[in-house]
Order: sequence, then C-alpha cells, then structure tokens
Amino acid sequence: NAGVMQNPRHLVRRRGQEARLRCSPMKGHSHVYWYRQLPEEGLKFMVYLQKENIIDESGMPKERFSAEFPKEGPSILRIQQVVRGDSAAYFCASSSGQAPNQPQHFGDGTRLSIL
Amino acid sequence: AQSVAQPEDQVNVAEGNPLTVKCTYSVSGNPYLFWYVQYPNRGLQFLLKYITGDNLVKGSYGFEAEFNKSQTSFHLKKPSALVSDSALYFCAVRDRDRDDKIIFGKGTRLHILP
Repeated sequence: NAGVMQNPRHLVRRRGQEARLRCSPMKGHSHVYWYRQLPEEGLKFMVYLQKENIIDESGMPKERFSAEFPKEGPSILRIQQVVRGDSAAYFCASSSGQAPNQPQHFGDGTRLSIL
Repeated sequence: AQSVAQPEDQVNVAEGNPLTVKCTYSVSGNPYLFWYVQYPNRGLQFLLKYITGDNLVKGSYGFEAEFNKSQTSFHLKKPSALVSDSALYFCAVRDRDRDDKIIFGKGTRLHILP
C-alpha cells in the first residue's frame, strides 16, 4: 500500500496518559501535515513538517502537544497528559515538496478517545 | 491571509437532480484550489483541482468545478446526483506564490435523497 499510513486507527487513553500517533507519508513525499477533526466539524490545521524541521506549528496548542518528523521513520504527533477535550480524529496528510500544486494525500486517521 | 468559506453546512438534493456545493476563497496572490470528499471513518480523498487554464475542471466520480476569478468562487457541481455521493465535502485553497499550507473550509455535508 503506497498511501499514507496512520497507526493506530483507534487509540484509547485515560486522562493524564500520553498518546503517540504515527504517520508514514506516501513514498517520495517529504512534507507532512497534521490536522484535528471534531465530530461534525471541519479540519483544523495543527502542524506542517518537513524532514527534521517544523515549518509551521501555528495550529498546535502551546502545551502538551508536540510533533516531529525524523530523518528516518514516521512522523509522530505526541500528546502528553491527555484530557477529555483531546478526544478527536487526527489526520495526517503528505505532499511532494517538489510540486506545491499537487494535492495532499490523507491517511484514514487515528481516532483518539480519552476515558 | 488565506481563507475558505463554505456557506452551507448541509445540502439536500434528490437523486438524479444536479447538485452544487458552494465555495469562496481569499488569497493575496493566485490560488491553487482543491475539492476533497470524506466518507465516514475515512480520510479525505482528492476529487479535483484548479491550477491554471480552463476554468471548468473535471474530476473523479463525475464531479466538476468552475473557477470564477471575479467572484473568487470554486463551486463543486455534478449534473446528476447519486445516493452514493452522500458525504462530507471540503474545499481548500493554497496561495501559489507562497510555500504555505493548504487551508480547508469547514465542510459541507451533502445528502442525496433517494
């Protein structure tokens, strides 16, 4: 499967625990984007990364949230000390940095539930 | 700053009738414009894009969209709706003059009534 892969598809955490969401971009894509979607709402941009660099994190909460896209391996969205309000679907998308007119390709998301 | 407006939260259309899902945008430069569709429990799927050239763009599943520069609109259309077209539709814009993120509208839920 050459598409964007996200895992896990579903993640359940208790308040105060950590959540780690993984995203492997499409082959050849070097740009990764993370979005949050609440039920019956649109996509909220969180962060835009290129390999080993955070380009735009204007949508990330200042505390508890962090993201990385290392030279090797998937991009990780990390949420520390989760709270009920973090429950949402988190989507990753990737694109080719060489062609900004190309669409983003999305994974099927990780649905995070906080107990 | 870039922005996208989808003025309708929901659109209801009878099967077989034409459908339109509205989108207007704002960018400082020239836009790249996109439409995506989302089915339940899935990620967004790309439908079509406007880059340059012909203002009428054809995409997947019989959908098309018309770029109107004077009205800064990019409405999604289909001549004859199918029940299977029922889904959440997102319009998106990117400023072609900036290495910047794509901005998504809040989405429009399309219900095709049998």
